[in-house]
Amino acid sequence: EDQVTQSPEALRLQEGESSSLNCSYTVSGLRGLFWYRQDPGKGPEFLFTLYSAGEEKEKERLKATLTKKESFLHITAPKPEDSATYLCAVQALRNYGQNFVFGPGTRLSVLP
Amino acid sequence: DSGVTQTPKHLITATGQRVTLRCSPRSGDLSVYWYQQSLDQGLQFLIQYYNGEERAKGNILERFSAQQFPDLHSELNLSSLELGDSALYFCASSVAGPDEQYFGPGTRLTVT
Repeated sequence: EDQVTQSPEALRLQEGESSSLNCSYTVSGLRGLFWYRQDPGKGPEFLFTLYSAGEEKEKERLKATLTKKESFLHITAPKPEDSATYLCAVQALRNYGQNFVFGPGTRLSVLP
Repeated sequence: DSGVTQTPKHLITATGQRVTLRCSPRSGDLSVYWYQQSLDQGLQFLIQYYNGEERAKGNILERFSAQQFPDLHSELNLSSLELGDSALYFCASSVAGPDEQYFGPGTRLTVT
């Protein structure tokens, strides 16, 4: 069964204090791994897609990396506006189409 | 603003009833995805349509059905509603594949 876990469940950082969020997955036929950001009461906002182990992508203060079993979202010198829930998801190929499995998310709070 | 629109924003109905949620994808996007987000289950993939045809199925109940029309808008039909169906329902769209999905603002369904 496809599974995605994320840690920590919640994280509080001071502004400028860098850290990493973890996404561990168990899936057969991995097609891609996605990171999304979700603000309260809003739809998720796309951040990154990673396809193969060793791949890295960056956007502003965020950098996503992928290994065969997990992905990390590194946040460098975060600002209060980076506060949100960060969701990791995997796309698994199936005989009929594909399946998307989302993790429970990491709730990030960045204090000024 | 992602460019994906969903109506209605809020919906309150009684158990046993049937409702229809509507989604208009971003201009040019051919794929539409439906998700359910509840506090205890997180974000769950329901179904995907591509250019009017069903492409993939996730954890969609038999009481739920969806379709995508020639103008590419999509509808999610929920019938014989139960209290446990109360959730946020999101629609997302992408150009073709799921690599970069854009989520709408969601429809909050409350079943009483």
